[in-house]
Amino acid sequence: QQQVKQSPQSLIVQKGGISIINCAYENTAFDYFPWYQQFPGKGPALLIAIRPDVSEKKEGRFTISFNKSAKQFSLHIMDSQPGDSATYFCAASTSNFGNEKLTFGTGTRLTIIP
Amino acid sequence: DAGVIQSPRHEVTEMGQEVTLRCKPISGHDYLFWYRQTMMRGLELLIYFNNNVPIDDSGMPEDRFSAKMPNASFSTLKIQPSEPRDSAVYFCASTPGQSLVSNQPQHFGDGTRLSIL
Repeated sequence: QQQVKQSPQSLIVQKGGISIINCAYENTAFDYFPWYQQFPGKGPALLIAIRPDVSEKKEGRFTISFNKSAKQFSLHIMDSQPGDSATYFCAASTSNFGNEKLTFGTGTRLTIIP
Repeated sequence: DAGVIQSPRHEVTEMGQEVTLRCKPISGHDYLFWYRQTMMRGLELLIYFNNNVPIDDSGMPEDRFSAKMPNASFSTLKIQPSEPRDSAVYFCASTPGQSLVSNQPQHFGDGTRLSIL
């Protein structure tokens, strides 16, 4: 029940296209859903996050869509650029005070080709 | 402003040797996490600390793994004896802990790439 399932494992998108990565969870206690971006040789870094009181959050070219009833959320990268090539992890957590544990998806390796 | 600092960046050692990985969290962060990343298993949480006290070590794979946090600015992850299957990238992360407003992001170091021959 603690798992977060992420797909696809890898994704190739042409420059200027839309990249879409999907995640699904089972634990209905999760109420915080961040996405992390990781470049080769670096640690993951927070990209964008959402709470289930909204269905969508947008920051620049990055958008999270959230479907509470389906227990699914996705990351959309508009106008994808070669610099977006990285591994993306979805994650989930609860907001219970003192619980800082994140459950991560298995990651998606995104490659943007010219 | 220094981020999370891990050392060494790379470690190559022979099977059976003791390995010690080190982490300096961001000053003022109350939580520290150790993760292991492999192609097969992705990013796994091994253990995390709050105010230097281990809170959840359920991800530690075996008794060969141990972690300590003797003070707020230093933590170690030790593997003794090491085995080839321990080869992975090990990350340390820290976070200040939840504010009343929102979850705080975890800040990751650049990792230690460990190879056990």
